Parts: sequence; C-alpha cells; structure tokens
Amino acid sequence: DAKTTQPNSMESNEEEPVHLPCNHSTISGTDYIHWYRQLPSQGPEYVIHGLTSNVNNRMASLAIAEDRKSSTLILHRATLRDAAVYYCILRGRSGGSNYKLTFGKGTLLTVNP
Amino acid sequence: KAGVTQTPRYLIKTRGQQVTLSCSPISGHRSVSWYQQTPGQGLQFLFEYFSETQRNKGNFPGRFSGRQFSNSRSEMNVSTLELGDSALYLCASSLETVETYNEQFFGPGTRLTVL
Repeated sequence: DAKTTQPNSMESNEEEPVHLPCNHSTISGTDYIHWYRQLPSQGPEYVIHGLTSNVNNRMASLAIAEDRKSSTLILHRATLRDAAVYYCILRGRSGGSNYKLTFGKGTLLTVNP
Repeated sequence: KAGVTQTPRYLIKTRGQQVTLSCSPISGHRSVSWYQQTPGQGLQFLFEYFSETQRNKGNFPGRFSGRQFSNSRSEMNVSTLELGDSALYLCASSLETVETYNEQFFGPGTRLTVL
C-alpha cells in the first residue's frame, strides 16, 4: 500500500510563507493527493487536493513533483489561525474495487506571532 | 447549513461491552465515512457508507461494523470492546462517494474510552 511521510513538526512566523512537505514515493498513478488540517479539539478540515498539476485555492497552494513522489502544501502568509496538524492523504484504489484513504502522521504547525 | 453532528461526544465502556455511535451528515450528503484516530496510529479509515450500502472498507476486524439509514444518518457499532479501541471516532460526510468526490466534512468526533 502507498504510504505518506511528513515531518512531525514545523514552525513559522506570522505573515511568512510556510512550505509543508509530504513524501509519497510509492504513490500509484491514479492516487489523488489531499491535504486536510485539524485544529485543536476539532475534526479535520479540507484544504486542497490534486492529481498531477499544481493547484491553487483561497486557502493554499499545492505543488506536486513531476514524478509525483512528493508534494508540498504552501500557505502563502501564515496566520495564528493556521496553527494546526496538517495531514497529507492519498486517495485511491486498494485492491479490486475497494477505495482507500491513506493518512500520514501529520505535521504540527506552530505559528509564532 | 448545519454541520456534521456526532452523538454521544464522550463515552466510557468496559472491555467486552459493545457500543453504538451515531452520525448525522450534512443535509443532502449521501456518503458517510468513519475514521479512528489514536495517538499511536493516527487517523485510519474504517469504512464508507453510500446510499445505505457499505461502499469501501479499511483494514479493521469484523468487530467494527456500521449501517446507513435512508435519511443518510449512519451508525457505527463496535462489539466485544478491547482496551485498544479507545480512540476518537470521527465521522465525515460528502455529497458523493469518496471514489469521486474530493471534499469531506468532518464532525467533532466521539471520544470512546474503554476501561
């Protein structure tokens, strides 16, 4: 099964860009890459997703390596509200017709004022 | 629009008992997925229900089961509870099955403690 690897923690200063990396060297050609974040005492919240091309939305940007073995979530200007655990997730088939979502351990992002 | 709601929010059980957790999805959402979150294993996908049928399944033993009703509300049942089942159980809903739809909306979770 495909796996994702993320740093345990990262630190940033407010209003600076943040680059959160994720390694998924065993990703299959049809796996989508998703990012969710989880604020304290809350359920995860969708951030962004992509397949092959870089993606932008109002929350963040997703940069996907050409070989798709890694990706980077980019927060352009971190705010204190962005402090959370960020999960890199692969969504794809896992044998037969069964779909599977594989979560990384997550990166705890601390934002300093 | 109301978000995903889960009941109860906290639950304490003893080994060997069984437990039923409930999830009400966002109105109009047809897919409900369940996840287990523990400090050691992180977030793990349990299963997805779509249109009252189990659509996808993670790698959990048969003690973990679920069902979905015609109004899309879902229940998850864990039988013969073990200490290792202590976890935060999260429910997520989406408009369509996770196979085709990209954004899931999570509830706040049910914190299950097994003594």
